[in-house]
Amino acid sequence: AQTVTQSQPEMSVQEAETVTLSCTYDTSESDYYLFWYKQPPSRQMILVIRQEAYKQQNATENRFSVNFQKAAKSFSLKISDSQLGDAAMYFCALFQGGSEKLVFGKGMKLTVNP
Amino acid sequence: NAGVTQTPKFQVLKTGQSMTLQCAQDMNHEYMSWYRQDPGMGLRLIHYSVGAGITDQGEVPNGYNVSRSTTEDFPLRLLSAAPSQTSVYFCASKAQGGFQPQHFGDGTRLSIL
Repeated sequence: AQTVTQSQPEMSVQEAETVTLSCTYDTSESDYYLFWYKQPPSRQMILVIRQEAYKQQNATENRFSVNFQKAAKSFSLKISDSQLGDAAMYFCALFQGGSEKLVFGKGMKLTVNP
Repeated sequence: NAGVTQTPKFQVLKTGQSMTLQCAQDMNHEYMSWYRQDPGMGLRLIHYSVGAGITDQGEVPNGYNVSRSTTEDFPLRLLSAAPSQTSVYFCASKAQGGFQPQHFGDGTRLSIL
């Protein structure tokens, strides 16, 4: 069975600073995809960034980038130049191509201090 | 283009009542799924469907039924509500392909008394 672990339940960062959110996963499949979703207080689930496991190059989306370490099964999210609007719950998720199931970590609450 | 629409947004039930949470998408996505979100637990997969007429169980399927008679709709049924089913429920859909992200509805907050 696949698992996703977010070991830090909460983090805080100063506005304009950089923060890294950690995520580790376990899967027996070779065909899988990794995602970070953001959930602000509005409860919406918003895609932040995604990574194909077979691609070595780390994905980037503006201020958001990942550090994908396949051998270590690690998928951390780096937020640069943090903004007040980045405050939210962040969920790491793993989609396995074979079972076609998306599994989420328990989430991490990010606070951005002005 | 409404995306994924869930109804109702809020509901209070009594133990033992039955209810259907509605989910519809207008993006012609083959894959649809239901999750429940509980504090400190993240989102857990209840049931999912890879196309009309095909459904399968997720991580926490007990107490819930689903059917998929059309591509657009994927209702979730609570047969006999229990307080343990108090949660926020999310419906999602995605296009075929593992790299395609899930598109989520706004969620339904369900309380069972």
